Amino acid sequence: AQTVTQSQPEMSVQEAETVTLSCTYDTSENNYYLFWYKQPPSRQMILVIRQEAYKQQNATENRFSVNFQKAAKSFSLKISDSQLGDTAMYFCAFMSDPQGGSEKLVFGKGTKLTVNP
Amino acid sequence: DGGITQSPKYLFRKEGQNVTLSCEQNLNHDAMYWYRQDPGQGLRLIYYSQIVNDFQKGDIAEGYSVSREKKESFPLTVTSAQKNPTAFYLCASTHRDAGYNEQFFGPGTRLTVL
Repeated sequence: AQTVTQSQPEMSVQEAETVTLSCTYDTSENNYYLFWYKQPPSRQMILVIRQEAYKQQNATENRFSVNFQKAAKSFSLKISDSQLGDTAMYFCAFMSDPQGGSEKLVFGKGTKLTVNP
Repeated sequence: DGGITQSPKYLFRKEGQNVTLSCEQNLNHDAMYWYRQDPGQGLRLIYYSQIVNDFQKGDIAEGYSVSREKKESFPLTVTSAQKNPTAFYLCASTHRDAGYNEQFFGPGTRLTVL
């Protein structure tokens, strides 16, 4: 079974600085998808960024980017120019290739990020 | 507006009672999911359904039941057999033709057993 590990339960960063959240996963599959979700205090889950394992290029979405290291099974999230609205729980998630019939997300336990003014 | 709705937002239950959580989507999504969130545990999959009238157990299905009579609806019943039901419950859905199958989440229901 796949597992996702987020080794940093809590992190903090000053506004406008950069922070990196770590995520490692365990799988024997070659094709899969990785996601970072944000859960602000409202508890609404919001997709931040996604990465297809067959793509070597790291995904970016505005201030958010990932460092995807397939061989090391590592998928870190970098937030640049941190804003107060980035304060949230961040979850790393793994999904097997949907073509295989399984569309289940496996989540890590989350990292609580606080952006300080 | 398209989206996923969950009701109620807060739910209180006495021990020994069954309770049903509602999840409705108007996104024309094929698949729907139920997750449970506990502090420090992340999200864990309870049940999921890829088509109407069919559903599969997730990782923590014991004490829960679901139905999928309509494409838009996927209610979750928390039965008295669930030993520790107090948690935050999230419903999600996805369109199977999306390629990467991004899951969209509802706002959640907080269940408290008194």
